[in-house]
Amino acid sequence: SQTIHQWPATLVQPVGSPLSLECTVEGTSNPNLYWYRQAAGRGLQLLFYSVGIGQISSEVPQNLSASRPQDRQFILSSKKLLLSDSGFYLCAWNLNGQVAFFGQGTRLTVV
Amino acid sequence: AQSVTQLGSHVSVSEGALVLLRCNYSSSVPPYLFWYVQYPNQGLQLLLKYTTGATLVKGINGFEAEFKKSETSFHLTKPSAHMSDAAEYFCAVSKAAGNKLTFGGGTRVLVKP
Repeated sequence: SQTIHQWPATLVQPVGSPLSLECTVEGTSNPNLYWYRQAAGRGLQLLFYSVGIGQISSEVPQNLSASRPQDRQFILSSKKLLLSDSGFYLCAWNLNGQVAFFGQGTRLTVV
Repeated sequence: AQSVTQLGSHVSVSEGALVLLRCNYSSSVPPYLFWYVQYPNQGLQLLLKYTTGATLVKGINGFEAEFKKSETSFHLTKPSAHMSDAAEYFCAVSKAAGNKLTFGGGTRVLVKP
């Protein structure tokens, strides 16, 4: 069966520090991978999605970047965090047009 | 481009009353449509989906949704709300043969005793 792992669950980082959030999927091949962010009261915002290794589409210009070094690994990064980067980050995967499965999320607080 | 609009960011219902959450979409090709539920500090879970076939779709926890092509809608209903239905609900659309999944802004449901 397929599983998705996302870590860490919570993170408190100072402004200006780097960020690396990792997401891995097991039990499937060549999934579409997504990073979403939920800021308080602002719904679910698609940040990045990837249809294959090294293929990243950015939805919103921002202080973040994403990489997909392996088929089932998706990394969200920042060189210098801003206060506005605080939020709940969700990784997800699906196969074309099909149901998406979500990780448990990372609560990031930038202080 | 595809998009999803959920009318009402917050809905309050009494326990036992009808739950109705509205979702309208735009898509240039036949869509796949989904409803997800999110409990606090958790990821999203699938409630139900429409891909092809019967336009009335039944999901988990007594929820159902009807795909109406002429109205470009996929509203979610439950005849009788339960306290455990308090959560945030998201409607989503993807292209039938495409890749990207697009979500609406979400509707937070409060259930009053």
